[in-house]
Amino acid sequence: GAGVSQSPSNKVTEKGKDVELRCDPISGHTALYWYRQSLGQGLEFLIYFQGNSAPDKSGLPSDRFSAERTGGSVSTLTIQRTQQEDSAVYLCASSSGTVGGNTIYFGEGSWLTVV
Amino acid sequence: GDSVTQMEGPVTLSEEAFLTINCTYTATGYPSLFWYVQYPGEGLQLLLKATKADDKGSNKGFEATYRKETTSFHLEKGSVQVSDSAVYFCALTHPAGGYNKLIFGAGTRLAVHP
Repeated sequence: GAGVSQSPSNKVTEKGKDVELRCDPISGHTALYWYRQSLGQGLEFLIYFQGNSAPDKSGLPSDRFSAERTGGSVSTLTIQRTQQEDSAVYLCASSSGTVGGNTIYFGEGSWLTVV
Repeated sequence: GDSVTQMEGPVTLSEEAFLTINCTYTATGYPSLFWYVQYPGEGLQLLLKATKADDKGSNKGFEATYRKETTSFHLEKGSVQVSDSAVYFCALTHPAGGYNKLIFGAGTRLAVHP
């Protein structure tokens, strides 16, 4: 597609359930990022994939969070045993290289509500 | 660690007013600085950027100058329009992080009234 595509756009889940959020980056982009935007907060870095390199997972808030990127393209962010504090907008982004030299394009986000 | 602080909103202005949204940063060395904008119902978009001290980024009538001496990157526009209503985010990347993480401020909501 023309832009970064995320699904679902909205998800309501019960506390304790697992959720999967999907990101389809712009074709040909080697870098993929996940961010979280909580109500009234800035954007919080979660994880970064660059080509075949080991991902930078330093922003994942707990071991309930994990992400994978299959075939260097689509990525899935998984949250296990969701908690109410996980409620946020999860943003995916991609770029053709490192951020300093290339524009990073964001998707419209997946709104997650844990009840 | 690296951080970005921007003025709290919401900022409410009348059309054609002058806009300033303050942004200061904390980082060692020479980060690259960005302003992103999020229009209602849309994803984040890069508005402008500056990669070294004294650089001025500009786009759509918005400007920001990289001031290392004051560690600031304030966003300005001389005459705002209703269509500028959005949330604006200041951000940085830092060489120590391999340029692979954007660190964002909390965002400033701008509302422009006719």
